[in-house]
Order: sequence, then C-alpha cells, then structure tokens
Amino acid sequence: RKEVEQDPGPFNVPEGATVAFNCTYSNSASQSFFWYRQDCRKEPKLLMSVYSSGNEDGRFTAQLNRASQYISLLIRDSKLSDSATYLCVVNIGHNYGQNFVFGPGTRLSVLP
Amino acid sequence: DTAVSQTPKYLVTQMGNDKSIKCEQNLGHDTMYWYKQDSKKFLKIMFSYNNKELIINETVPNRFSPKSPDKAHLNLHINSLELGDSAVYFCASSKEGGRVSYEQYFGPGTRLTVT
Repeated sequence: RKEVEQDPGPFNVPEGATVAFNCTYSNSASQSFFWYRQDCRKEPKLLMSVYSSGNEDGRFTAQLNRASQYISLLIRDSKLSDSATYLCVVNIGHNYGQNFVFGPGTRLSVLP
Repeated sequence: DTAVSQTPKYLVTQMGNDKSIKCEQNLGHDTMYWYKQDSKKFLKIMFSYNNKELIINETVPNRFSPKSPDKAHLNLHINSLELGDSAVYFCASSKEGGRVSYEQYFGPGTRLTVT
C-alpha cells in the first residue's frame, strides 16, 4: 500500500460547483497534514494545513479523521482559477524532525 | 525577493555528463530538501538537510550527491547522467520545529532533460 493515496481524478466540474477530494495515509504515527496546490509547470504551494478539529479558509474546508487515517478537502463555489492539481501531504516524522510524503495528486479542471 | 531560488531553470544535456543544480533560500530556514517529480507528476523526496547535515537520504543512486556549503544553500550534483534522470527537480525549505511541523516553500524547479 502506498503511504499516501488520493482520488485518481481528473475532476471536471462547472464553475460554482462544490467538489471534494479524499486522501488516505498508511502511517498511523503521521504527525501533521497539509493540502498543497500545484499549477501546471509550477512549484507546489501550500493551500492549507489540516488540523484535527477541521479548519476552513474561505471556500476551502479541510477535515482530518485520525482513526480512519483519512483527510479531505472541500472546495465550494469553484472558480476557474481553482483549476490545478491538489496534493495531499503527510509529515510522517523522522528522528530529526520532518519527512513530508506527497500523494500522487488529484487534478481539478473547473469549466466555464 | 525570491524566497527559494534554483538555477538553472532548464537543463538539457547528454547521457554520461555531470551536472549541478544550485538552490538558495533567503528565509532563514534550517531544513532544505531535494525532490524529484517524474513524468507521472509524482513528487518524491530525495534528500533532506538540517543545518548542513544530511538527515534523510531516500533510495537514490549514489550518482546523486547533495552538498550544503551553508544553511542557506543546498546544491545537487549528478554524475553520469542517464535517460531516466529526466524529470523536474524541486528544492524546498522549511523551519525546523521538532514536533511542530512547518510548511515547505518550494523553488521554481529545474527541468532536466537527458538526451
């Protein structure tokens, strides 16, 4: 089983739609969780951290279920500019600190 | 000002050559990383350095050698390049917080093509 798995996608949705991405991780000792966004031919950029109680940032809501080792990202009222690949990232830790493992990404295309 | 910079942005070279990619961060971060993103877009860590010391070295051929002259720089040298080395290489940095996890900042990437 891969360490971090995501919906394979791609997701093609109309503007204004709500879309949800799922991610699962295998290492129960994972310490922290993030969603990154990567535009075509660009570097990944942090979208939001994911907290145990769930958190929201504008149109974006992230949820974490440690028992099920599951993370989700909900995007409401999709915009054309949301088109990108969304990467689930898990910090599985290391003796000296951080070891980030990236999921394969889910591609989103928001259509006019 | 660019937070994490890499040079060159594009690198086209022939099999068997030796090449280097440079990375610099001006964020004052303690930890720097090299990632490889292959044609399937899967981003995989190669190395991690904390305060100039190697802390993660994933299964990477020993033709790849990272060098950290100081905390702000982490360069990647590749010997005897092979076709399979063609990929985008990203440098990243983050604060080191022990049990606290900080976000990573990525450089723009170096697109390496081996012919």
